Amino acid sequence: SQTIHQWPATLVQPVGSPLSLECTVEGTSNPNLYWYRQAAGRGLQLLFYSVGIGQISSEVPQNLSASRPQDRQFILSSKKLLLSDSGFYLCAWSKGNTGELFFGEGSRLTVL
Amino acid sequence: EDQVTQSPEALRLQEGESSSLNCSYTVSGLRGLFWYRQDPGKGPEFLFTLYSAGEEKEKERLKATLTKKESFLHITAPKPEDSATYLCAVQEGQGAQKLVFGQGTRLTINP
Repeated sequence: SQTIHQWPATLVQPVGSPLSLECTVEGTSNPNLYWYRQAAGRGLQLLFYSVGIGQISSEVPQNLSASRPQDRQFILSSKKLLLSDSGFYLCAWSKGNTGELFFGEGSRLTVL
Repeated sequence: EDQVTQSPEALRLQEGESSSLNCSYTVSGLRGLFWYRQDPGKGPEFLFTLYSAGEEKEKERLKATLTKKESFLHITAPKPEDSATYLCAVQEGQGAQKLVFGQGTRLTINP
């Protein structure tokens, strides 16, 4: 069966510090991978998606970047965090063009 | 622009009290409508996909239905473990990157 792991689960970082959130998928090959942010009281916002190694599409201009160094690994990064980067970050995968997403447990980021 | 609106924002029910959650949408070409369940502090969990008006899907106490403008998530005789936020999403184009999520309905079932 397929599983998705995301870490760290919780992170408290000062403004201006770097960020790295990691996500790996097991049990499938060539998945489509996604990073979402969920702010309190707001819907899920798609940040990045990837259909293959090294292929990254950005949906929203921002202080973040994403990379896919391996088929089943997706990384969300920032060089300098802003207060507005605080939120709940979710990694997800899907197979093909389906809209059925399978999410990780999420990473709660607080920027102080 | 695609819009997905869920109502009510929050709903409290007594155990065994059936009700429905609504998801209304405006898209130029619906490729699919999806329901997810999200527990506090967790990632959403996929529940159903509906593709065309008139389609219905069931899972335990949940039944999802679809019309040309909206979808309903009916919950029959709910239990406290059904408490969660239920998210609706519509897909206009190919790929999950074309999903537009609603704000969700926070459902609480009191014992």
